[in-house]
Amino acid sequence: DAGVTQSPTHLIKTRGQQVTLRCSPKSGHDTVSWYQQALGQGPQFIFQYYEEEERQRGNFPDRFSGHQFPNYSSELNVNALLLGDSALYLCASSIRRGGGYTFGSGTRLTVV
Amino acid sequence: ILNVEQSPQSLHVQEGDSTNFTCSFPSSNFYALHWYRWETAKSPEALFVMTLNGDEKKKGRISATLNTKEGYSYLYIKGSQPEDSATYLCAFTPNTGNQFYFGTGTSLTVIP
Repeated sequence: DAGVTQSPTHLIKTRGQQVTLRCSPKSGHDTVSWYQQALGQGPQFIFQYYEEEERQRGNFPDRFSGHQFPNYSSELNVNALLLGDSALYLCASSIRRGGGYTFGSGTRLTVV
Repeated sequence: ILNVEQSPQSLHVQEGDSTNFTCSFPSSNFYALHWYRWETAKSPEALFVMTLNGDEKKKGRISATLNTKEGYSYLYIKGSQPEDSATYLCAFTPNTGNQFYFGTGTSLTVIP
């Protein structure tokens, strides 16, 4: 039974570019949440998707957007990249309000 | 912004020693407290989910307690082994939403 899969594992982008990160949830899970972990910080909540809609959003600017597809997979898009967007981006899936998250191993984004 | 604090930030212990970490969280609007174990380059692995004041959970040599009235949880590791070396994250979920608020983690190194 596959867990949460994230792609790519690493990428390097230039300031001002746009990036798309992808996440496939664990089988049976219908909710996907995205977190950003900057160096020395705990993971910070970006947003959560359920039934293809953004259900809750953290304190992140509109440059951060997402999407959930009918098969529950999800994308995180970041526009106009800033150096400060360099971080590990974690995807977590869950059954809505049930139990805890299952995490992917993350995408390491470096903005130069 | 809800504040979740973990202490100590890092810890080095000898193999066979027992150790414990602390997670402090807001005592109001409590829904759940989660502990995760995170090895480098891997996905965070769920250890415990606790929802009731006084909860105690155990998995092998690792156990956790919860005090929701005063807003803290302890994680204990008995007889530490080198394979216990990891970062231990706690996360608080309020009853006002679905997001997790993470601490910055405790990095444990067990010296053989």
